[in-house]
Amino acid sequence: AQSVTQLGSHVSVSEGALVLLRCNYSSSVPPYLFWYVQYPNQGLQLLLKYTSAATLVKGINGFEAEFKKSETSFHLTKPSAHMSDAAEYFCAVSENGLGRLYFGRGTQLTVWP
Amino acid sequence: GAGVSQSPSNKVTEKGKDVELRCDPISGHTALYWYRQSLGQGLEFLIYFQGNSAPDKSGLPSDRFSAERTGGSVSTLTIQRTQQEDSAVYLCASSLDGTSHTQYFGPGTRLTVL
Repeated sequence: AQSVTQLGSHVSVSEGALVLLRCNYSSSVPPYLFWYVQYPNQGLQLLLKYTSAATLVKGINGFEAEFKKSETSFHLTKPSAHMSDAAEYFCAVSENGLGRLYFGRGTQLTVWP
Repeated sequence: GAGVSQSPSNKVTEKGKDVELRCDPISGHTALYWYRQSLGQGLEFLIYFQGNSAPDKSGLPSDRFSAERTGGSVSTLTIQRTQQEDSAVYLCASSLDGTSHTQYFGPGTRLTVL
């Protein structure tokens, strides 16, 4: 069975600081991994995805994530936070890219001026 | 191009009433998914359609919930005899096909059961 754990339901950073949002997964088959962002009263928007092509994945808005098989992790980072990054972030996994996504509980990112 | 659309955006109903939620996927997308987002449960999968058939209905929480998809396009999620615990945001997503990995989400329908 697939599962996703996001450590830290809330993360606060100052504008310009490093953003690090943690995600660990469990999967019995090679995973496909995703990060989505949700702004207030909106649907989910894809930030980036890992589909086994490269372990370091670059996404939109300056975000990137590194797949580490030995750690079963897919942490999301951004070197310098902007106020506009304040949102909720969800890590998700799918089995071989088929069908449903399994989501983590989400991390609310707050960016202080 | 047009994204996934859902209607209504908000729905308030009384306990015991039936509700229908609609999803229009991106044109040409054969796979369609329903999820539910609530404070206590996070994002939960409900059902997956490939074309008009539903190979995975494992997330439907009870027999009060049903969904259909016609013409390989629009989908309707029906909740019968609504309960207060059904209050949530219902999200629809579509992807090019079941193997295309990227799911594109609609804005959701916020359901409130009084």
